[in-house]
Amino acid sequence: EIVLTQSPATLSLSPGERVTLSCRASQSVGINLAWYQQKPGQAPRLLIYDVSNRATGIPARFSGSGSGTDFTLTISSLEPEDFAVYYCQQRSNWPPTFGPGTKVDIK
Amino acid sequence: QVQLVESGGGVVQPGGSLRLSCSASGFTFSTYGMHWVRQAPGRGLEWVAFIAYDGNNKDYVDAVKGRFTISRDNSRNTLFLQMNSLRAEDTAVYYCASDLTNCGGACYSFDFWGQGTLVTVSS
Repeated sequence: EIVLTQSPATLSLSPGERVTLSCRASQSVGINLAWYQQKPGQAPRLLIYDVSNRATGIPARFSGSGSGTDFTLTISSLEPEDFAVYYCQQRSNWPPTFGPGTKVDIK
Repeated sequence: QVQLVESGGGVVQPGGSLRLSCSASGFTFSTYGMHWVRQAPGRGLEWVAFIAYDGNNKDYVDAVKGRFTISRDNSRNTLFLQMNSLRAEDTAVYYCASDLTNCGGACYSFDFWGQGTLVTVSS
């Protein structure tokens, strides 16, 4: 099973700041990596699939990059609605697995 | 718009059974693979099961194999999860989710999600 590690566990930031979240895989997942956003009491929402493809309706301030074992989700300028937990997920190897999440909260 | 609405959660004793349902609307359900993903209280996400668009291929995480059964009724746009021999560690919010749009197969990323239904296994 591929283990995904996310860092940092928590980030405290202000609106308008640039955010870079990291996801590292225990072995290569190629480009088969997705990112999700989850707000308290809500279901996760797909942001990015296959490393860098934004899902339908996702704002351009969200972008993804990386390949192999190291991946990044960038939010160019934090909006108030972006404070949430972010999960990465790989689908390269069975079973599909999620990282433990990075919480982005308000400073 | 796309809607997935889960139901059927509740409190059940260890060893008991529950059947979850997920009603879909706003997209062509019969052309999408579907998944169940769960989240234990205060914890991360775990993929549980997959069923192909036509029901002919099913897949389960090892922890639920032999206990859970995924099925679907395309005539009713509904996904199911029959959960038997429930354990305390099955306690979680269960989400139904569609497979990745335009992926052309079983892609194991999750496009649309329901709001979830809570299953609590406790004596």
